[in-house]
Amino acid sequence: DSGVTQTPKHLITATGQRVTLRCSPRSGDLSVYWYQQSLDQGLQFLIQYYNGEERAKGNILERFSAQQFPDLHSELNLSSLELGDSALYFCASTRLAGGEQYFGPGTRLTVL
Amino acid sequence: LAKTTQPISMDSYEGQEVNITCSHNNIATNDYITWYQQFPSQGPRFIIQGYKTKVTNEVASLFIPADRKSSTLSLPRVSLSDTAVYYCLVGDMERDDKIIFGKGTRLHILP
Repeated sequence: DSGVTQTPKHLITATGQRVTLRCSPRSGDLSVYWYQQSLDQGLQFLIQYYNGEERAKGNILERFSAQQFPDLHSELNLSSLELGDSALYFCASTRLAGGEQYFGPGTRLTVL
Repeated sequence: LAKTTQPISMDSYEGQEVNITCSHNNIATNDYITWYQQFPSQGPRFIIQGYKTKVTNEVASLFIPADRKSSTLSLPRVSLSDTAVYYCLVGDMERDDKIIFGKGTRLHILP
């Protein structure tokens, strides 16, 4: 158990819909990363927050957005969903800059 | 941002030592080298991290030559449960926004 929690574990929805994925980092970790992993693909970095502020942006689509709240949990919002958005979405947290990332169990999103 | 290059896949047998090499020609002075392991449908898990020479822990060793343009993850006496994807990352300890995962190496251990 990494100490990072993600909800929900599974999510099935239809094209055009909007969903919110939630991540709670390990106690004391200030930085949260979001990743997308499609079938047989590597991890695609989406976005990073540090203590409530956006820190780095990767290959995140304009239909996707994220935020980190004062209690340090983070949410990833995916809108106008397409079939190609079906993937595992992971969040990770770190305590130190450049330190070991602790990954959550992921949310499996299926868009039908 | 230091780009990394790893073999796409490797096969080995139980009980063998496995070495996975990662190239990072543009590694910067402040960059560390970190390896993660990922099993299907699970989040990656930290294996080992190093800056230069050799680092060893209970599961692996990491060899880094003097020029630091490559690194080798060594897994001693692998078992079937070591079948996984292994990612090499190169990042700046002071600015973690530079740490990016690539496609990794898919290691398949055969009986």
